Parts: sequence; C-alpha cells; structure tokens
Amino acid sequence: ETGVTQTPRHLVMGMTNKKSLKCEQHLGHNAMYWYKQSAKKPLELMFVYSLEERVENNSVPSRFSPECPNSSHLFLHLHTLQPEDSALYLCASSVGSGTSGDNEQFFGPGTRLTVL
Amino acid sequence: AQKITQTQPGMFVQEKEAVTLDCTYDTSDQSYGLFWYKQPSSGEMIFLIYQGSYDEQNATEGRYSLNFQKARKSANLVISASQLGDSAMYFCAMREGRSGGFKTIFGAGTRLFVKA
Repeated sequence: ETGVTQTPRHLVMGMTNKKSLKCEQHLGHNAMYWYKQSAKKPLELMFVYSLEERVENNSVPSRFSPECPNSSHLFLHLHTLQPEDSALYLCASSVGSGTSGDNEQFFGPGTRLTVL
Repeated sequence: AQKITQTQPGMFVQEKEAVTLDCTYDTSDQSYGLFWYKQPSSGEMIFLIYQGSYDEQNATEGRYSLNFQKARKSANLVISASQLGDSAMYFCAMREGRSGGFKTIFGAGTRLFVKA
C-alpha cells in the first residue's frame, strides 16, 4: 500500500468512550502531523512529530493524546470527548520541516469523527 | 490577525474557462513557502503547487499556475481550462521559516464549482 492511510474512516463514539485513530505512511517521511478540520473553520494543526519526537503541540485539550511509536505510525488517542470535537481528523506526513517545496505534506483520507 | 486570507468562499466557472482563486498572506519572515491544496468531497487533501519566497518566477504545474506578487503578499492560484473534476475546496497555505517550518497555516478555503 502506498501513501498515507488512516483508520477508521468513520467513527461514532459516546462522550465516555475511549478510541484511537491510526495513521500510517509508506513514504519514508520523517515528519507526521495531526490536523482537525471542522465545518466552516480553517484546518487546525494539532500535533507534529519529527523523527518520533513531538515538536509542535498547538494547545490541544488533554482529551486528545498523540503517540508516535516509529516514523511510519501515528496515533491519536481519544477519551471523554465532547460533541464539539466532532470533525474530520486528517493525518499528513512530509520529508521534513522547512519552507521548501520538498516538504509538501501528503495527506491521508481522514477519519470522520462524530461524538454523541 | 489572519495569516492567510481567502476572500472567496465560493466561485463558479464554466468548463474549459480559466479561473483565479485569491490568496493573501501576512508574514514578517523573509523565508517562507506558499502551498495550494485541493480537497475533493472525498476529504483527502491533494498538493497542487508550491512557491518559495525567494523564487523569482511564478510556479507552474500543468494547468495550475501561481500568480505570486511578493510586494502585495498575494499568491493567487490560476486554473486554466477548467474541468468538471476541478470542483472541490481549494486551500492556500504558508510555512514560515522562523517556526522551524513545521507549522503550516491554512486559509479558510474557496469552494470551486465547475459548470458544464
């Protein structure tokens, strides 16, 4: 399989549930990202990992917990979410950081999360 | 202040015609990169084109070109010979050098509708 994959594609959970989103990249990239995309809002960067080390944490509530066990896998652990957390969660990867065009981000198809 | 501004929430274009999607940005960095992404209804973000702050020529990728006006801080996307498959959301994004290049800031997007 190539590119960036995300599972599950759709998730419905209650506020007391614990679930995890998984992202896998097959591109040999060193950086991985979690974004949240809500209706009528710009894409919001949540977390960035570079070489398995978290380098960016954008004031995300603690009910979202990222994990990057290796450079190919990224998880987002969810617990006691709120209905306003319902959104499309996108994972992306890039060769590295920096402003050059070589560091374009490749995105996965996203997980559509609904919190009841 | 918004770093990336896309003033057109929605645009219509006739098939086979050209269309320009506007993007203005705000940064005090000398080194930055500008990216355009396409998001079809399937949700996946697709990289289209890149322009570096030091690039003197406008970027082109097939039917996509970027009208880069540095003094005006604008980076408009031009799609020539529109196709029905171009109907999607389009996002302008920027990476600033001072943030280490990990943080990509996205605009609110423009929804393009291509009419047959």
